[in-house]
Amino acid sequence: EVQLVESGGGLVQPGRSMKLSCAASGFTFSNYGMAWVRQAPTKGLEWVATISYDGSSTYYRDSVKGRFTISRDNAKSTLYLQMNSLRSEDTATYYCTRVSSGSSGYYFDYWGQGVMVTVSS
Amino acid sequence: DIQMTQSPPSLSASLGDKVTITCQASQNINKYIAWYQQKPGKAPRLLIRYTSTLESGTPSRFSGSGSGRDYSFSISNVESEDIASYYCLQYDNLPWTFGGGTKLELK
Repeated sequence: EVQLVESGGGLVQPGRSMKLSCAASGFTFSNYGMAWVRQAPTKGLEWVATISYDGSSTYYRDSVKGRFTISRDNAKSTLYLQMNSLRSEDTATYYCTRVSSGSSGYYFDYWGQGVMVTVSS
Repeated sequence: DIQMTQSPPSLSASLGDKVTITCQASQNINKYIAWYQQKPGKAPRLLIRYTSTLESGTPSRFSGSGSGRDYSFSISNVESEDIASYYCLQYDNLPWTFGGGTKLELK
């Protein structure tokens, strides 16, 4: 069974940093791209960042470029999101997702339960 | 960026009804659209990929269709467990973009 378990969220002041982790199990982690998707309170879903299966390629939405870094440790089956210079608009539940690999393109097939990040003074 | 215009934002249905949600992309997305269900306080769940392919475990009352810029998602015979929010996702081009969501409620 695929499991994605996020950790590391909480309350942080504007301008400070926070690092999220996502522990994966139930599949061969090193074979899949991974991504972070967030959801502000009462709002819709918003893609944040994606990393390729081997970490060689990363992609970010414009609003987080230069502030967020996605990374992975395939030996530990763990995905990370380092978030610097946090802003109030980064307040959201952050979901760790697996990126499907197949002929149907690259979409998000499995999701973690999410971790809340609140940016406030 | 490709914009996904999802409608309606909310929908009220009776048990047994058929409901349809639409997503219009700002450009051709070559059928690379997925549909997700999200219940309150839970993570999204993938229901359909590549316009109309049901994921394992997705009930057959769910369906998807479309091409080019225009796509639809339907639930025939709405059941109480279908009360949730639904989102479309285009994955034809970076950045991945979601529709604004549709909240399905019981009438």
